[in-house]
Amino acid sequence: DADVTQTPRNRITKTGKRIMLECSQTKGHDRMYWYRQDPGLGLRLIYYSFDVKDINKGEISDGYSVSRQAQAKFSLSLESAIPNQTALYFCATSVGTGYQETQYFGPGTRLLVL
Amino acid sequence: DQQVKQNSPSLSVQEGRISILNCDYTNSMFDYFLWYKKYPAEGPTFLISISSIKDKNEDGRFTVFLNKSAKHLSLHIVPSQPGDSAVYFCAASEFQGGSEKLVFGKGTKLTVNP
Repeated sequence: DADVTQTPRNRITKTGKRIMLECSQTKGHDRMYWYRQDPGLGLRLIYYSFDVKDINKGEISDGYSVSRQAQAKFSLSLESAIPNQTALYFCATSVGTGYQETQYFGPGTRLLVL
Repeated sequence: DQQVKQNSPSLSVQEGRISILNCDYTNSMFDYFLWYKKYPAEGPTFLISISSIKDKNEDGRFTVFLNKSAKHLSLHIVPSQPGDSAVYFCAASEFQGGSEKLVFGKGTKLTVNP
């Protein structure tokens, strides 16, 4: 079984719709992250969470919100989707020691906003 | 301003030969560097990392070299195998506010020809 899972794997939605992407992990890690990848670009950080009570904005948080429902679950919401949010979205986790940590990624969600 | 640069979008090598993937960075505060491998329709998979206090780290066929004075790191794969064909992302992190903030390059697509 995969350590980090994302649902859905693919989603097509229309401009203005609300959509939620979900991430679950069985690694027991404290920290979770959401990234997006656009064609020809590296991954950019949207939001991250150190624990259930801690949420932090990343580089490109505008237009997104998150919820950390439990240690193992971290959801990303697009309140009103727009076409330039079409991208690959990745969830990641890290153990939580902080210093020189490695992040482990889920399989990704491909989102198309029409 | 791109802090982590992978200037070669693609690289093609013959099976059994060495693959060398390069990465340059601009932020002297980066203290941890990672390489991820990504296959189509999958998330990035952690490959190898190196701390800024080291200049070399080896794991099987994969070796990462760090030249801090030149702000350059490279990934060597010897010998290259067709299964190594993937996109390779270089990432660098700076310890800030109790966590490592990862910055990714745009990736290099490696093709290993049989």
